[in-house]
Amino acid sequence: EPEVTQTPSHQVTQMGQEVILRCVPISNHLYFYWYRQILGQKVEFLVSFYNNEISEKSEIFDDQFSVERPDGSNFTLKIRSTKLEDSAMYFCASRGEGYEQFFGPGTRLTVL
Amino acid sequence: SQKIEQNSEALNIQEGKTATLTCNYTNYSPAYLQWYRQDPGRGPVFLLLIRENEKEKRKERLKVTFDTTLKQSLFHITASQPADSATYLCAPAKGAGSYQLTFGKGTKLSVIP
Repeated sequence: EPEVTQTPSHQVTQMGQEVILRCVPISNHLYFYWYRQILGQKVEFLVSFYNNEISEKSEIFDDQFSVERPDGSNFTLKIRSTKLEDSAMYFCASRGEGYEQFFGPGTRLTVL
Repeated sequence: SQKIEQNSEALNIQEGKTATLTCNYTNYSPAYLQWYRQDPGRGPVFLLLIRENEKEKRKERLKVTFDTTLKQSLFHITASQPADSATYLCAPAKGAGSYQLTFGKGTKLSVIP
């Protein structure tokens, strides 16, 4: 069964460093999303991406964040200068023609 | 602002009983509502979707109701099993043309053998 994959599973970085989180969505899906979940809190929407551009973004998704689909399979989230409060689980999701979203296993980001 | 409340943070029930989880929302009118399951350290997994013009939806042991007057959805698991233990997330759709998911905090269900 097709699934969304994410790498790495755990990323540790120093405050102020740039990180890139990678996702491979389900191959025939056209809509891509990033969410984050701070430990013990709810899953929060960051950004949605369709047709090579951002379609929606939340207040969390400020200038420090960017997304890209560099090729036909990968979807990336970049955080330019990480802060302590960026520590969270980051989930990628993709959607086909239906409404349901398929989530990846997540990348745990730890900012020291 | 939009608000989603799930009835309790934790719910413990005996195996074989029916679990009922509540999701209330305020300050918007979703066109549809989804329920997801999340296991510790994992991504949410889609379970069911119900549209605003549907009163009830079923899938195997799962049942969802949607009352747009009360602004409430109920999620039922019948004949619950220990394997049903997880956190269940409610996600009303934000609005027409928007597909982002706005999740509640979730209800952690524990089914006791």
